[in-house]
Amino acid sequence: DAGITQSPRHKVTETGTPVTLRCHQTENHRYMYWYRQDPGHGLRLIHYSYGVKDTDKGEVSDGYSVSRSKTEDFLLTLESATSSQTSVYFCAISDPTGSNEQFFGPGTRLTVL
Amino acid sequence: RKEVEQDPGPFNVPEGATVAFNCTYSNSASQSFFWYRQDCRKEPKLLMSVYSSGNEDGRFTAQLNRASQYISLLIRDSKLSDSATYLCVVITSNFGNEKLTFGTGTRLTIIP
Repeated sequence: DAGITQSPRHKVTETGTPVTLRCHQTENHRYMYWYRQDPGHGLRLIHYSYGVKDTDKGEVSDGYSVSRSKTEDFLLTLESATSSQTSVYFCAISDPTGSNEQFFGPGTRLTVL
Repeated sequence: RKEVEQDPGPFNVPEGATVAFNCTYSNSASQSFFWYRQDCRKEPKLLMSVYSSGNEDGRFTAQLNRASQYISLLIRDSKLSDSATYLCVVITSNFGNEKLTFGTGTRLTIIP
């Protein structure tokens, strides 16, 4: 299995509070991604990074920000959590010089009350 | 129309049977296709890539039909361990930017 961890794995928070999710990889892959997965929707891309300090928006980026100060870490921040951000969040990594395969972390289940 | 569409199922299939499901895509310029498997409350994992000529991996066969814009996954001699949700993934390139689009998944349950 690819070396990807996410923390925390579960979190319950209240509306209006800031939340930061962490993705950590040991594969030294350049590309990292944050997705959310909700019933009735496929995995939807929030933000992605193609290198340290290089990030870009995905299709559902509103209300989220990211940072990547090291190759191995990609942080997702909800500045002021809302109930619509209750979801399962997956981090993924890929090697652009290899196949298009994305390797996913175990996911973070976030509930915003 | 959604970019990638899958029948959500559930497909309830007896052990040992053959099951097939499709995934349709709307962008004719899409060039790479994959099937991922996702177990309940787990992360998606790559099952197989889909090649233009079709490809087989053990009991699993993937096909691509560009004319009708769909990919298919066939599972022969189904096992209880095949119970999972199967996600199709379509990659489209636009001026050097690759976009991955996931289907919502087809849920498969193999019944003893």
